[in-house]
Amino acid sequence: SQTIHQWPATLVQPVGSPLSLECTVEGTSNPNLYWYRQAAGRGLQLLFYSVGIGQISSEVPQNLSASRPQDRQFILSSKKLLLSDSGFYLCAWNRGSEETQYFGPGTRLLVL
Amino acid sequence: AQSVTQLGSHVSVSEGALVLLRCNYSSSVPPYLFWYVQYPNQGLQLLLKYTSAATLVKGINGFEAEFKKSETSFHLTKPSAHMSDAAEYFCAVSEHGTSYGKLTFGQGTILTVHP
Repeated sequence: SQTIHQWPATLVQPVGSPLSLECTVEGTSNPNLYWYRQAAGRGLQLLFYSVGIGQISSEVPQNLSASRPQDRQFILSSKKLLLSDSGFYLCAWNRGSEETQYFGPGTRLLVL
Repeated sequence: AQSVTQLGSHVSVSEGALVLLRCNYSSSVPPYLFWYVQYPNQGLQLLLKYTSAATLVKGINGFEAEFKKSETSFHLTKPSAHMSDAAEYFCAVSEHGTSYGKLTFGQGTILTVHP
């Protein structure tokens, strides 16, 4: 069976500091990978998606970036965090042939 | 472009009462529709999905939803609410045939269940 992991689970960072959130999927190969942000009362916003190693598409311009160094690893980064980057970050995956996305447990980020 | 509207950001019901969470969608192509549930500080769990087969879809935990093309709706129901159903529920739409499964989510509905 497939599992998806995210870490850290929670993170408190000062404004202007860098960020690296990691997502890994086990039990499948060549998944599509997604980063979402969930801000309070605002639903889920798709930030990035990737259909393969080194292939990243951005949905929303911002000071965040994403990378996919390995087939089942997806990283969300920032060089300098803003207060507005606070939120709950969710990673998701699916197979290219199916529509359903499966979500990780999420990372709660608080920027102070 | 696709969009989802969930009517009511908060719904409150008594234990044992009917649960009805409303979702309307907009899509330029035949849609796939999903309901996810999120418990506090957790990821999203798939409840059920419509993928152009039967219009009445049954999911986990006793939930079901009916796809009504004429009304562009995909409302979620459960005949009898349990305390454990208290959570936030998200409706989502995916445009069939896209090269990747881009999901567009509604704003979510928080379900509260009273004893």
